[in-house]
Amino acid sequence: GDSVTQMEGPVTLSEEAFLTINCTYTATGYPSLFWYVQYPGEGLQLLLKATKADDKGSNKGFEATYRKETTSFHLEKGSVQVSDSAVYFCALRYQGAQKLVFGQGTRLTINP
Amino acid sequence: DGGITQSPKYLFRKEGQNVTLSCEQNLNHDAMYWYRQDPGQGLRLIYYSQIVNDFQKGDIAEGYSVSREKKESFPLTVTSAQKNPTAFYLCASSTSLTLAGETQYFGPGTRLLVL
Repeated sequence: GDSVTQMEGPVTLSEEAFLTINCTYTATGYPSLFWYVQYPGEGLQLLLKATKADDKGSNKGFEATYRKETTSFHLEKGSVQVSDSAVYFCALRYQGAQKLVFGQGTRLTINP
Repeated sequence: DGGITQSPKYLFRKEGQNVTLSCEQNLNHDAMYWYRQDPGQGLRLIYYSQIVNDFQKGDIAEGYSVSREKKESFPLTVTSAQKNPTAFYLCASSTSLTLAGETQYFGPGTRLLVL
């Protein structure tokens, strides 16, 4: 079945470091891909998305490119801040499907 | 401001008790969803609804029930049949049930604990 695999956390970085959180997916066809962020004690917020191959989603300095050939959607940010500390979820959804399929989440902690 | 509200923030359930989690949205969305989140795991779909008076089971519907009497509201009842109810419950909504690129918007969640 369809699945999403994220790099295991927790990930701890210093402020201003470069961030990569890997996400790969197993799916038939071409789903839409999403990154959601969850701050402590809160619900999920959409961070960015891409709906077709080679699309790049970006928001708040974060970027991710839909790579069909490697079935990946890695999240990157050039310079992280303490306020970026959160849990990040990669997810996919097919046309006609009701649900999002989520990865297990990656906890990110940024130290000042 | 438009958004999704969930109440209560924390809920305690006694053995054999049914409890109901509230979810309200003022985004005028047709589709609504309930997800369950367990520590260190992704979200799993419990129930979803496309229109008023219609809803469908998701992947883990056993021990849960829902209703959709109004477009804005999609309450979830955790019944005594759910043997492991301790989790974080998230309600979501979207304009379309099946459009792949459509964003699902999430509420702040309800944490359910068993006494």
